Amino acid sequence: EVQLLESGGGLVQPGGSLRLSCAASGFTFSSYAMSWVRQAPGKGLKWVSAISGSGGSTYYADSVKGRFTISRDNSKNTLYLQMNSLRAEDTAVYYCAKGGTVVTIYSSLDYWGQGTLVTVSS
Amino acid sequence: DIQMTQSPSSLSAPVGDRVTITCQASQDISNHLNWYQQKPGKAPKLLIYDASNLETGVPSRFSGSGSGTDFTFTISSLQPEDIATYYCQQYDNLPQTFGQGTKLEIK
Repeated sequence: EVQLLESGGGLVQPGGSLRLSCAASGFTFSSYAMSWVRQAPGKGLKWVSAISGSGGSTYYADSVKGRFTISRDNSKNTLYLQMNSLRAEDTAVYYCAKGGTVVTIYSSLDYWGQGTLVTVSS
Repeated sequence: DIQMTQSPSSLSAPVGDRVTITCQASQDISNHLNWYQQKPGKAPKLLIYDASNLETGVPSRFSGSGSGTDFTFTISSLQPEDIATYYCQQYDNLPQTFGQGTKLEIK
């Protein structure tokens, strides 16, 4: 059974940093691209970032480029999102999601974690 | 960025009704379109991938169609457990983008 478990969310002041983790199990982690998708309170879904299975290729939404860094440790089956220079508009539930097709990032997101809430406020 | 225009934004229908949601892409995305269901307080769940393929384990009352720029999502007979918000998503280009969502309620 595929499981994705996010952690690391919390309250942080504007300009602060936070690192999210997503522990994966139930599939060959290194074979699949992974993504982060966020949802601001009461709003829709927004794709944030993706990383290839090997970790060699990374992709970002313009709104987080230069501030967020996606990475993965395939030996630990864990995905990360390092978030720096946080802004109020980054407040959201952050979901990690598994790519639906082996290798490519261009696919569905077939499994999602339960989400972790990040609140940026003074 | 590819804009995904989803309609309606909300919909109320009685149990047993046929429900249709549309999604229009701002440019040709072939069949690179997925549909998700999100219940309150829960993570999204993949229902339809590649425009028309039913994800394993998803009831057959859910279906999708379309290609290019115009897509349709249908529930053939609305059930009480289908109350949720539904999103389309394109993965043809980065950034992947979602429609604004359709909130479905029982009348």
